[in-house]
Amino acid sequence: QKEVEQNSGPLSVPEGAIASLNCTYSDRGSQSFFWYRQYSGKSPELIMFIYSNGDKEDGRFTAQLNKASQYVSLLIRDSQPSDSATYLCAVNRVGAGNMLTFGGGTRLMVKP
Amino acid sequence: EPEVTQTPSHQVTQMGQEVILRCVPISNHLYFYWYRQILGQKVEFLVSFYNNEISEKSEIFDDQFSVERPDGSNFTLKIRSTKLEDSAMYFCASSSGGGDTQYFGPGTRLTVL
Repeated sequence: QKEVEQNSGPLSVPEGAIASLNCTYSDRGSQSFFWYRQYSGKSPELIMFIYSNGDKEDGRFTAQLNKASQYVSLLIRDSQPSDSATYLCAVNRVGAGNMLTFGGGTRLMVKP
Repeated sequence: EPEVTQTPSHQVTQMGQEVILRCVPISNHLYFYWYRQILGQKVEFLVSFYNNEISEKSEIFDDQFSVERPDGSNFTLKIRSTKLEDSAMYFCASSSGGGDTQYFGPGTRLTVL
């Protein structure tokens, strides 16, 4: 069974700090990796995607991928109270109907 | 900015009734998906659809479920005979390519009584 695991949290950080969110996956055939943000009662909203090993930066967000360790992470710099949400890690094996397998999400709380 | 839209936002139905959830994917996207999220649980894949046929379906997507693209813009999910355990948020998503980012609609909250 293909699994994506995340610490459910809550992860509490003070405003302005770096939040570090982690995700592991079991399917070595996974090729695309996504971070979505989900506010309570709302739909997943894309934050970042990453396909290759290494780091990818977009504004305050940095995604890191290590395929050998089957590990993907998201760093949020200068965290803001508006970043408080559940962050979902999702992986995709292209060709397998392109289904996304989601982790359970990590709830992030940014305290002013 | 183009977005996926879904109607209705909330559907209440009696157990055993049929429901149709509607989605309008982003206009130039070719791949369409349905996911569901039971309250407090993970987002779960139901089905993917490409070139007018199902590409992949999960164990959840049994004979009670069907999908259709009745015209050039709509993508629907039908549940033939709803059960209490079908109560969930149902999200439609679309992508331009197979491994590309999937963009989610706002969801339909289905409540089965």
